Amino acid sequence: DQQVKQNSPSLSVQEGRISILNCDYTNSMFDYFLWYKKYPAEGPTFLISISSIKDKNEDGRFTVFLNKSAKHLSLHIVPSQPGDSAVYFCAASGTSGTYKYIFGTGTRLKVLA
Amino acid sequence: GAGVSQSPSNKVTEKGKDVELRCDPISGHTALYWYRQSLGQGLEFLIYFQGNSAPDKSGLPSDRFSAERTGGSVSTLTIQRTQQEDSAVYLCASSSQGRAFFGQGTRLTVV
Repeated sequence: DQQVKQNSPSLSVQEGRISILNCDYTNSMFDYFLWYKKYPAEGPTFLISISSIKDKNEDGRFTVFLNKSAKHLSLHIVPSQPGDSAVYFCAASGTSGTYKYIFGTGTRLKVLA
Repeated sequence: GAGVSQSPSNKVTEKGKDVELRCDPISGHTALYWYRQSLGQGLEFLIYFQGNSAPDKSGLPSDRFSAERTGGSVSTLTIQRTQQEDSAVYLCASSSQGRAFFGQGTRLTVV
């Protein structure tokens, strides 16, 4: 079963506008969430994370929002830049003792100049 | 080294052959993960190491897949009797403070 879901496989946004990428999870034991960005032929790179004790974390142009009751998180990028064009993965982890990260299937973001 | 290093970066092998993929994690990182990404798919968890032990190997697709880690550092992922469906990018990551750092991956093509 897909415990972390990214239901939008792709998203196109105009440069300067806001990009909103969404992620849903099913396992209530998850308590730590991350976003990664991946360019072709490279490994994913860490963007931003959030603990379940928070509902928002901001780092420059990137903000992650967590809605625990809805088991939903989102990544906001504002303003979007052409260099942000990549595949974005959300990931979740729990403290069940395994600490493995479960990834979603990714959303391909294209920022149009 | 500054980051996670994987070798080889590309590997083409014939169906039925065995392959070994190597991962050098960031020095001092005790946790190490293997994932794979098949064409058009997300990141599929394979195995997680804490030190030299693997408390979670639930993602290994079959008994043809095995992994080990020695000295709490280098890890090798071995695929025996490779099949075409094993073709994917195999990614290794190590983590510290709740953040996983990935290598560039090994692209495996089984022909």
